[in-house]
Amino acid sequence: DTAVSQTPKYLVTQMGNDKSIKCEQNLGHDTMYWYKQDSKKFLKIMFSYNNKELIINETVPNRFSPKSPDKAHLNLHINSLELGDSAVYFCASSQEHLGGEQYFGPGTRLTVT
Amino acid sequence: SQKIEQNSEALNIQEGKTATLTCNYTNYSPAYLQWYRQDPGRGPVFLLLIRENEKEKRKERLKVTFDTTLKQSLFHITASQPADSATYLCAHPASGGSYIPTFGRGTSLIVHP
Repeated sequence: DTAVSQTPKYLVTQMGNDKSIKCEQNLGHDTMYWYKQDSKKFLKIMFSYNNKELIINETVPNRFSPKSPDKAHLNLHINSLELGDSAVYFCASSQEHLGGEQYFGPGTRLTVT
Repeated sequence: SQKIEQNSEALNIQEGKTATLTCNYTNYSPAYLQWYRQDPGRGPVFLLLIRENEKEKRKERLKVTFDTTLKQSLFHITASQPADSATYLCAHPASGGSYIPTFGRGTSLIVHP
C-alpha cells in the first residue's frame, strides 16, 4: 500500500490556468507538507499543516493555496500559473510536528508552457 | 543566514569501497540532522537521523557522524553497491524554534561495478 500518494504524476498546462494537486497519506500522521523542487534540485518547503491547521507558510505567492479537508489529505491549488511555477512538487507527512522523519510522495512534475 | 551545504559534484566510487558524503552547516547549531536518499523521478526516502548529543549512528551498511565543533555531518556507505547510486540529501530544522525543515542540494553518488 502506498503511504503517501499524489495525483497527478505529471501536469502540463498553459500559463494563466488554475490547477490542483492532490495528496493523501494513510500513515495516520498529523503533519503534512508541500515542497517544491526546482531544476537545480533544491527541495524547499512551501507549507506545513498540523491537524488541518496551517503551521508554515514560507513566503509563497498568494496564487498557491493549500487546503486540508482532513488530516489525511493536503491539496495544493495554484491560480494563474506562471512559467516559473514549473517544478516537481512533493507532498510529505511526519508523525512528529515539524520533526522526525518525513515520508514523501512520488512527486508531481508540473510543466507550464 | 543559515546555510546547509553539500558537495555539488558527483561522487564516483568503485563497488565495494566506502562512500563518504559531507554535509556542512553554518550560522546555526541544529538539534539534529537527517539524511535522505532520492532516486531519479522519486520522492526522498528517510535513512537516518542523528541528534546533536550523538556522535555516531549506524544502520546496516550506513553510518552517520555529527561533529558539532566542525559543524559537519559525514554519511558513510560501506561495501557500496551499484544499487546505492542515488542522490543523498542532508536536512536539518531551521533555527528560531520554527523547526522548518531545510534541505541541502544533495550529492549524487555513482557506484561503478
